[in-house]
Amino acid sequence: AQSVTQPDIHITVSEGASLELRCNYSYGATPYLFWYVQSPGQGLQLLLKYFSGDTLVQGIKGFEAEFKRSQSSFNLRKPSVHWSDAAEYFCAVGARAGKSTFGDGTTLTVKP
Amino acid sequence: DGGITQSPKYLFRKEGQNVTLSCEQNLNHDAMYWYRQDPGQGLRLIYYSQIVNDFQKGDIAEGYSVSREKKESFPLTVTSAQKNPTAFYLCASTFRGGQNNEQFFGPGTRLTVL
Repeated sequence: AQSVTQPDIHITVSEGASLELRCNYSYGATPYLFWYVQSPGQGLQLLLKYFSGDTLVQGIKGFEAEFKRSQSSFNLRKPSVHWSDAAEYFCAVGARAGKSTFGDGTTLTVKP
Repeated sequence: DGGITQSPKYLFRKEGQNVTLSCEQNLNHDAMYWYRQDPGQGLRLIYYSQIVNDFQKGDIAEGYSVSREKKESFPLTVTSAQKNPTAFYLCASTFRGGQNNEQFFGPGTRLTVL
């Protein structure tokens, strides 16, 4: 069965600093990988996705993620964090029937 | 604008009562999903449906029921058999229900049992 691990429950960064959120997955075949963002009390919004090809994918809001098969990782990065990026971030792996398995999430706090 | 709507945004229930959460989408998506979200935990799948008049249990279906009579609608009933129903409930849909399909989410319903 597939699984997703987000090792960091909570991360705090200063505004303008770089960000990296970690995601490790377990999946028997080629994974379909997603990053979503959730603001408090809201639904999730897709940031980016990886299916195949270039291992560095670009998303919305200046985010990017790199797929590393050898490390079973799909880490999310942003060069310069803005206060509006404070939210909860979820990594997910796609499964059959369109279901996705989600990690437990990482809460990002941005210090002024 | 296309999207997913969930209602109500907040719902309060007395113990022993059944309540129904609404989920409607106008994206013409085939597949729909219900998730439960608790603090510090990821999303856990309750039920999903890939086609009208058909649905399958997810990982935590006990105490819940669904129907899919229309493509646009996938209501979730939280029954009195659900022992700990207080949570944030999210509805989602995908275009074809394929492995590579991103999920589109509604804004959620927060259910509190009094």
